[in-house]
Amino acid sequence: DGGITQSPKYLFRKEGQNVTLSCEQNLNHDAMYWYRQDPGQGLRLIYYSQIVNDFQKGDIAEGYSVSREKKESFPLTVTSAQKNPTAFYLCASSLRLAAYEQYFGPGTRLTVT
Amino acid sequence: DAKTTQPPSMDCAEGRAANLPCNHSTISGNEYVYWYRQIHSQGPQYIIHGLKNNETNEMASLIITEDRKSSTLILPHATLRDTAVYYCIVRANNAGNMLTFGGGTRLMVKP
Repeated sequence: DGGITQSPKYLFRKEGQNVTLSCEQNLNHDAMYWYRQDPGQGLRLIYYSQIVNDFQKGDIAEGYSVSREKKESFPLTVTSAQKNPTAFYLCASSLRLAAYEQYFGPGTRLTVT
Repeated sequence: DAKTTQPPSMDCAEGRAANLPCNHSTISGNEYVYWYRQIHSQGPQYIIHGLKNNETNEMASLIITEDRKSSTLILPHATLRDTAVYYCIVRANNAGNMLTFGGGTRLMVKP
C-alpha cells in the first residue's frame, strides 16, 4: 500500500526535552510538508521541502527543525525552544511543490507536560 | 487576511444533499478553489478543485459562480461518514504557494 506513515500516533514528553516526529512516504513524491493543528483550529504550515536536501520555513517555524536527507523521509524535531509544543502534528506530501493534491499522514498527537 | 469565508457549522440529514458554501470575493484570476475535508483526529483528505468551470468527481461536485467570488461544494447523498470539517482554500498553482487551512465548516450528518 502506498501512503504516508507517521509514528507514533501519541507521544508524551517532559518539558525541556527535544522530540523527533517521524514521517515516511512511499509515494515517490518530491515535496513534503509539516503542519501543526491546535484544538478547533485549522492547519498551520511549519516547514516544507521541495526536494531532497532542501527545505524552507513555513508560517510558524520557530522552535522546530527538519531534515530531508532521503526522498522518503522528512522528520520534524520539536525543540525545547518551542513555547507551546502540545498539538496535533500532520505530515503531508505531494508529487511536486505546486501539485493540486497533498496526501496527509494520520498525524502524531504530542503532549508535553 | 483570510482569503475564504465559511460558516463554522452545518447540519445535514443522512441521504440528503449537503451544500457547503464558501465566499472568496478577493480571488485572483490565477487562483484555484480547493476543497479538503478532515474527519476527526485524522489527516485532511483532498476532495476536489476547480478554476472557473464546475467540476464533479466520485466524491462531490464543485459549483463556482460566474464571477468566481463564491463556490459551493455539494455532497449529493450525505452519509454519516461524511461528518467532518470541510476546508475551502484558494491558491495559485505556482511553486511556493502553499495551501492555507482556515477554520472550515464542521458538517454534522444526522440520521
